[in-house]
Amino acid sequence: EIVLTQFPGTLSLSPGERATLSCRASQSVSSSYLAWYQQKPGQGPRLLIFRASTRATGIPDRFSGSGSGTDFTLTISRLEPEDFAVYYCQQYGSSPLFGGGTKVEIK
Amino acid sequence: QLQLQESGPGLVKPSETLSLACTASGASISSSSYYWGWIRQPPGKGLEWIGSIYYLGSTYYNSSLKSRVTISIDTSKNEFSLKLNSVTAADTAMYYCARIQYCSITGCSETYSYYYMDVWGKGTAVTVSS
Repeated sequence: EIVLTQFPGTLSLSPGERATLSCRASQSVSSSYLAWYQQKPGQGPRLLIFRASTRATGIPDRFSGSGSGTDFTLTISRLEPEDFAVYYCQQYGSSPLFGGGTKVEIK
Repeated sequence: QLQLQESGPGLVKPSETLSLACTASGASISSSSYYWGWIRQPPGKGLEWIGSIYYLGSTYYNSSLKSRVTISIDTSKNEFSLKLNSVTAADTAMYYCARIQYCSITGCSETYSYYYMDVWGKGTAVTVSS
């Protein structure tokens, strides 16, 4: 069974800084089936990236995804105040699976 | 524009059955392009996929919950439902419904395949307690 590990667990940064979030799979997964979501307190998740690197409709271009095989990255080029949230990666192999999440907090 | 709304009791007693519905508005759930899913999130924890259904009725369940879960769809009401029986405190969570976009590698080729959840409901909180 595939395990998705996200790191770091918490990222403390200031607005304007670059955020790099990692998602590692215990075995190779198809990048076609790798997605990233943002979740703010009291809200449902919001799709950011699908197919590892394709931005969803309405997502600003400061969000970018990359990676293949077992290692995937979500990058936020310059943090805006509204970007402080929890981010989840998700893959689909035999069934959908989410990583444990990375919290991006204000330093 | 599609919107999803979860509904159901916020409090369920241990050993009883949790029943939730997800009503779609703004679009039909009978489209052959989508699957429909349930995801939950225990307080302070991450996301767990519960199961999914296709509009024709094919179902797919998380293996850890499969023995207790039933997902069904009612296209006449434009809604799909979740039943989770024999609940315990461990089933206390926020429950979300979502639209799933899926095209397999075998069906769409590596270049065009995808799997993601692009529309989510706001969620409904369920507590299991006597």
